[in-house]
Amino acid sequence: QKEVEQNSGPLSVPEGAIASLNCTYSDRGSQSFFWYRQYSGKSPELIMSIYSNGDKEDGRFTAQLNKASQYVSLLIRDSQPSDSATYLCAVNREGSYIPTFGRGTSLIVHP
Amino acid sequence: DAGVIQSPRHEVTEMGQEVTLRCKPISGHNSLFWYRQTMMRGLELLIYFNNNVPIDDSGMPEDRFSAKMPNASFSTLKIQPSEPRDSAVYFCASSSLAGSHEQYFGPGTRLTVT
Repeated sequence: QKEVEQNSGPLSVPEGAIASLNCTYSDRGSQSFFWYRQYSGKSPELIMSIYSNGDKEDGRFTAQLNKASQYVSLLIRDSQPSDSATYLCAVNREGSYIPTFGRGTSLIVHP
Repeated sequence: DAGVIQSPRHEVTEMGQEVTLRCKPISGHNSLFWYRQTMMRGLELLIYFNNNVPIDDSGMPEDRFSAKMPNASFSTLKIQPSEPRDSAVYFCASSSLAGSHEQYFGPGTRLTVT
């Protein structure tokens, strides 16, 4: 059983729409949650981190964490073609510096 | 501030040759991670250093792979001898123990073994 699961996609949304990316994890001791964006041929880039239940907003991005249901999501408002990339979810256990990465969800924002 | 620096960016070598990948973490970061990424397997952690000491090398595929961190500003990943199945993109990432476990990735080294 994979520890961090993401739908591989591709998730296709029109420009201006809200893109919703989801991630589930199996370890209830997980404490730190991250979203990375990876453009094709580039390295992962941290875009959001969240540590407590609820929502965290940063510009057009909102991360949502629900520890009881063991999922974390990323919402991208007013999606732009430049948001087209693979989004990786990463989860750290409590006290661990080693993250577990999901396989990523490919997002395509079409004009 | 400079980010994580990796060299070379691209490496093409023949099977059986030794390959050395290099990484300079962000100044002040005391955790360093080496990853390998392929289409088939995604992003895999190879080894993790904390204050220059290898803490977890369970992801190192086999004895052909070795990693060192002689000081806080430099790490190497060596493959000897290299094989075609080692072809992948190798990333180095660093983070701060005093921080929030956020990792910052270097640009990666694309390795092709023919």
